[in-house]
Amino acid sequence: AQSVAQPEDQVNVAEGNPLTVKCTYSVSGNPYLFWYVQYPNRGLQFLLKYITGDNLVKGSYGFEAEFNKSQTSFHLKKPSALVSDSALYFCAVSGASSASKIIFGSGTRLSIRP
Amino acid sequence: EAGVVQSPRYKIIEKKQPVAFWCNPISGHNTLYWYLQNLGQGPELLIRYENEEAVDDSQLPKDRFSAERLKGVDSTLKIQPAELGDSAVYLCASSLGAVAGGQGETQYFGPGTRLLVL
Repeated sequence: AQSVAQPEDQVNVAEGNPLTVKCTYSVSGNPYLFWYVQYPNRGLQFLLKYITGDNLVKGSYGFEAEFNKSQTSFHLKKPSALVSDSALYFCAVSGASSASKIIFGSGTRLSIRP
Repeated sequence: EAGVVQSPRYKIIEKKQPVAFWCNPISGHNTLYWYLQNLGQGPELLIRYENEEAVDDSQLPKDRFSAERLKGVDSTLKIQPAELGDSAVYLCASSLGAVAGGQGETQYFGPGTRLLVL
């Protein structure tokens, strides 16, 4: 069965410091991995995804994520955090079969202090 | 280009009443999803359409929930009768279509409908 875990409910970072939001997954076969961000009273916005190819994926707003197959992880990173990055972040995974469905993690609230 | 449109944005009803949510996906997107999002949690898939066909409704509580996507464009999600536990945000998303048989397509989400059942 597919699953995705975001072990941290909240991550606090000072503005200008690097940030990491963790995600681990479990899926049969090759995974499709996604990061979405949600601002208050808004729907989810796509940040980046890994389908195949280069393990380091670059996305919107300066975010990037690294696919690590051996550790079954897909952590989200940014070299220098902005206050405007404060939001709820969701990792999601799906499999490569037509029967697969996308599963979202429980979310990590990122708080960037000035 | 317009994004995914949902209406209403907010709905307050009394328990046992019916309620319906409407979604207009991005033009040209064949796949449409309805999700339920409880406070502080990730979205949970209720149903997925490929054009007008419901290809995954395994998580839809069929005793009270129903959905339709006539003509493969707009979609309506209905709850009848609503229960207190149905209070949540209902999200609609769309994507171009499945990539290579899997679910690798980027999904684009609407703003959601926040339902409160009293």
